[in-house]
Amino acid sequence: EVQLVESGGGLVQPGGSLRLSCAASGFTLSSYWMHWVRQAPGKGLVWVSLSDNDGSNTGYADSVKGRFTISRDNAKNTLYLQMNSLRADDTALYYCTTGGSSGFEYWGQGTLVTVSS
Amino acid sequence: QSALTQPRSVSGSPGQSVTISCTGTSSDVGGYNYVSWYQQHPGKAPKLIIYDVSKRPSGVPDRFSGSKSGNTASLTISGLQAEDETDYYCCSFAGSYTWVFGGGTKLTVL
Repeated sequence: EVQLVESGGGLVQPGGSLRLSCAASGFTLSSYWMHWVRQAPGKGLVWVSLSDNDGSNTGYADSVKGRFTISRDNAKNTLYLQMNSLRADDTALYYCTTGGSSGFEYWGQGTLVTVSS
Repeated sequence: QSALTQPRSVSGSPGQSVTISCTGTSSDVGGYNYVSWYQQHPGKAPKLIIYDVSKRPSGVPDRFSGSKSGNTASLTISGLQAEDETDYYCCSFAGSYTWVFGGGTKLTVL
């Protein structure tokens, strides 16, 4: 059974940093492109970042470019999102999800990031 | 990377059909056949219901269908059921390893 489990969320002050993790099981991470998608409380889905199969190609939403870095450790079947210079508007539930250009098939349950002083 | 435009809400009676539009630009929806749709119930992760504009993943009822014309994609739900009442999001590949979601549509089954 495919499973994605996010962790690493929490309360952080503006300007602070967090690293999110997404542990994959039931499949080989290296076979999939992986994304982070976030959802602010009561708001819609927003695509954040992509890593291709081996991390050689990545993509970022304009709102996080230069502040967030996606990476993966295929040997550990784990995806990461390093988030720096966090702002209040980064407050959201962060999901990891699998998918290429066609669509995002498997989703985790998300990890909540709250940026507040 | 502007969000795709969806109506904030749509409604229909049980058994009827509703269509949710998703308007982008030639740089996203109009430029690629990589539009997907997601259903999200409150407190749950999104679920993929349409990919590649009009394909259904295994297990998704054929009441759900997708199409595209120019810069606008559409999701049609026929034979509305009470369980269809929830939020729906479109998403499109936007080139250069980026994607963009729509703002979401709340479907009410009257």
